[in-house]
Amino acid sequence: NAGVTQTPKFRILKIGQSMTLQCTQDMNHNYMYWYRQDPGMGLKLIYYSVGAGITDKGEVPNGYNVSRSTTEDFPLRLELAAPSQTSVYFCASSSSESTDTQYFGPGTRLTVL
Amino acid sequence: AQSVTQLDSQVPVFEEAPVELRCNYSSSVSVYLFWYVQYPNQGLQLLLKYLSGSTLVKGINGFEAEFNKSQTSFHLRKPSVHISDTAEYFCAVSGLDYKLSFGAGTTVTVRA
Repeated sequence: NAGVTQTPKFRILKIGQSMTLQCTQDMNHNYMYWYRQDPGMGLKLIYYSVGAGITDKGEVPNGYNVSRSTTEDFPLRLELAAPSQTSVYFCASSSSESTDTQYFGPGTRLTVL
Repeated sequence: AQSVTQLDSQVPVFEEAPVELRCNYSSSVSVYLFWYVQYPNQGLQLLLKYLSGSTLVKGINGFEAEFNKSQTSFHLRKPSVHISDTAEYFCAVSGLDYKLSFGAGTTVTVRA
């Protein structure tokens, strides 16, 4: 039982490049989330999903896209990288209950130069 | 919508001393409250959560928190810290929409 896994751990992009951050969970959780963490700002929700085929915007969705074709996977896509997207990205998952704990992956540190 | 304010951005503390991290929230509906910890270069993990019932909640690693509805607070405490408690601590709140709103975090540095 690996929990939530994320790849890559680190990445440097040039402005305008695109990339996909991968997230996989093996807990059969319906709910999955993407957050970004900036220094002194806490975590901000980018996108979330309540099940395969269903996604919705969070607090800071601009510049990102997601898809959820399976229960296990929830990739985050950056189409045209900008310096403002330099951040640490965390994926999380939880069961269907609003009171359930969210389980976090180890994070991806992205730098856009 | 809910929001969280963590009143201290940094808390230095000596080993074996007590520590309190302050968290206030605002919400127009009933809330669920969480404390998460992030050790250096790791993801977040749950310390404890308040859902209902007793206002004193006990978590892992000797931490506890008290929910105070009248003061809209959820302060985290530990009576005696260890070097290994050096980490960043996040207070979070959610309503019935299962989306968490996080505070900005409190960095705890434990010194020998």
